[in-house]
Amino acid sequence: QSVLTQPPSVSGAPGQKVSISCTGGTSNIGAGYDVNWYRQVPGTAPQLLISYNINRPAGVPDRFSGSKSGSSASLAITGLQAEDEANYYCQSYDNSLSGSIFGGGTKVTVL
Amino acid sequence: QVQLQESGPGLVRPSETLSLTCTVSGYSLTSGFSWGWIRQFPGRGLEWIGDFSHNGGTYYTPSLSSRVTISMDPSRNQFSLRMTSVTAADAAVYYCARRDGSIIFDRWGQGTLVTVSS
Repeated sequence: QSVLTQPPSVSGAPGQKVSISCTGGTSNIGAGYDVNWYRQVPGTAPQLLISYNINRPAGVPDRFSGSKSGSSASLAITGLQAEDEANYYCQSYDNSLSGSIFGGGTKVTVL
Repeated sequence: QVQLQESGPGLVRPSETLSLTCTVSGYSLTSGFSWGWIRQFPGRGLEWIGDFSHNGGTYYTPSLSSRVTISMDPSRNQFSLRMTSVTAADAAVYYCARRDGSIIFDRWGQGTLVTVSS
């Protein structure tokens, strides 16, 4: 069971907006640690999507945005496209484990 | 272009030792960053195993620290994972990755599937 909690799946029609939540606790997100998001197409390695809560690495479309508040973070995808179908993972640091932690992942389906 | 490539046996017997190697090209391990291992279980979950920084210091997730060793071979620009006493619960895809000064894993290998079976 992951320390960070994500919904197992979300779905939306092309062009719509979907949001993925990532809920942590007082030893990780709630302690002020940053959240990163990764996108993983099945059969490939995860790829950085959002860093430091809100930053998009070069090449990431601005349809993807991140936010953080309290012990939770969120990834939003606007203007959903078929190519956005993938698994998405949040990541943070946990001071009780003294290391990196991941969410359980959310599968995004484009209807 | 930094590239990482995992190698090692895809099948390990229960109670034996898992050994994987990550070969890095396009960047010297001793020049910077941290380098480590992450695994992904069949159910999708990701688990950070541990990593080491280029200038010393190795860190492991507490649940695996008694069974895991990560080491570096600068002459070959490789680093390795050694996990003892494996069980079926250790079956996963194992990734090597580069970590920046924070917790961001910005470069990943393609992953290698490890099965634990007699």
